[in-house]
Amino acid sequence: NAGVTQTPKFRVLKTGQSMTLLCAQDMNHEYMYWYRQDPGMGLRLIHYSVGEGTTAKGEVPDGYNVSRLKKQNFLLGLESAAPSQTSVYFCASRARRTSSFNEQFFGPGTRLTVL
Amino acid sequence: EDQVTQSPEALRLQEGESSSLNCSYTVSGLRGLFWYRQDPGKGPEFLFTLYSAGEEKEKERLKATLTKKESFLHITAPKPEDSATYLCVLYLIQGAQKLVFGQGTRLTINP
Repeated sequence: NAGVTQTPKFRVLKTGQSMTLLCAQDMNHEYMYWYRQDPGMGLRLIHYSVGEGTTAKGEVPDGYNVSRLKKQNFLLGLESAAPSQTSVYFCASRARRTSSFNEQFFGPGTRLTVL
Repeated sequence: EDQVTQSPEALRLQEGESSSLNCSYTVSGLRGLFWYRQDPGKGPEFLFTLYSAGEEKEKERLKATLTKKESFLHITAPKPEDSATYLCVLYLIQGAQKLVFGQGTRLTINP
């Protein structure tokens, strides 16, 4: 049981390049999330998904796209990277429960630098 | 505006020296509060969930408490392996996926 995994762990891009970050979870969780973490700031939600085939915008969605074609995978895409997207990206997942908000399980993060 | 403030930003203690971390908040409707631990270069790891004022949760040397305006994470007789950043996270009533993350308190325990 690997939990939440992310690939790649590190990446350096040039401005204008594109890339996709992959998140995979083996806990059969319905909900999946993408966050970014910047120095001096709390984690901020980029996009999330409440189930296979569904996605929704979070707090800071501009410049990013996502897809959830399979329940276990959640992809984050940068079509044209900008230096402002230099950050550490975390994926998280949680099980659905109607009576309360289950805790989220986080992946190890992807450190992205855009030059 | 919903806000969460953690203090202090950084705390350095000697092994065995107990202390508390604070998370204060101003929100329009709080459904729950989480505490996470984050080690350098890793993702946050879940510690506790608190749902109502007066509630307490314990795990090893950690105890989390909740009032109507703040939460405390008490660390009793800490060890060097307790060194980490501790994050306070609010779960708000409005918005199904609305979490507000604090900036964290970076805790260092010296042997």
